[in-house]
Amino acid sequence: ETGVTQSPTHLIKTRGQQVTLRCSSQSGHNTVSWYQQALGQGPQFIFQYYREEENGRGNFPPRFSGLQFPNYSSELNVNALELDDSALYLCASSLRDRSAGELFFGEGSRLTVL
Amino acid sequence: GQQLNQSPQSMFIQEGEDVSMNCTSSSIFNTWLWYKQDPGEGPVLLIALYKAGELTSNGRLTAQFGITRKDSFLNISASIPSDVGIYFCAGSQVLQGAQKLVFGQGTRLTINP
Repeated sequence: ETGVTQSPTHLIKTRGQQVTLRCSSQSGHNTVSWYQQALGQGPQFIFQYYREEENGRGNFPPRFSGLQFPNYSSELNVNALELDDSALYLCASSLRDRSAGELFFGEGSRLTVL
Repeated sequence: GQQLNQSPQSMFIQEGEDVSMNCTSSSIFNTWLWYKQDPGEGPVLLIALYKAGELTSNGRLTAQFGITRKDSFLNISASIPSDVGIYFCAGSQVLQGAQKLVFGQGTRLTINP
């Protein structure tokens, strides 16, 4: 069984730039969620994708957007990067309609904004 | 945003000791989960709890879902060096049709050999 994989693992951007992070979900999982984890904090929900549509968003501005593809993989895009966007971005996959809340996380993409 | 209150924030113990940490919330959750995160990695699911009052074990780990559905605890017995890491509690809730997790701030566990 293939786990959740994310790329890139680390990247550095400057303020105002745009970034795309990628995620391949665990085999058999059809739902992908994205979380932001600031240093020393717990992860915060950004949004979730199911059937290639966003179906739930946390307290994040529209410059955070995403996509889900037919093979269930996903992208997180962040435009007009700000210093506070520096964080570990975690992708989690799950099987919708299965036991509530069991998410399986990737290792994350660590973004540094200078 | 909404958060769970997790305590203690950090623990320094001797190898072999038992560990206890807990999590409280002002909101009700239908599912409580405990995750462990090692440096440079994503959280790994340890235990999931689905019913109020439920007590579940996974090896040396035991967790309980509080009767009020607003709290949970995690116990680790006979700690070993690989237990070092950050432990997060999480409550599951539905937001606009999405199953989302609300996380605590984490408990950092350090073990002295």
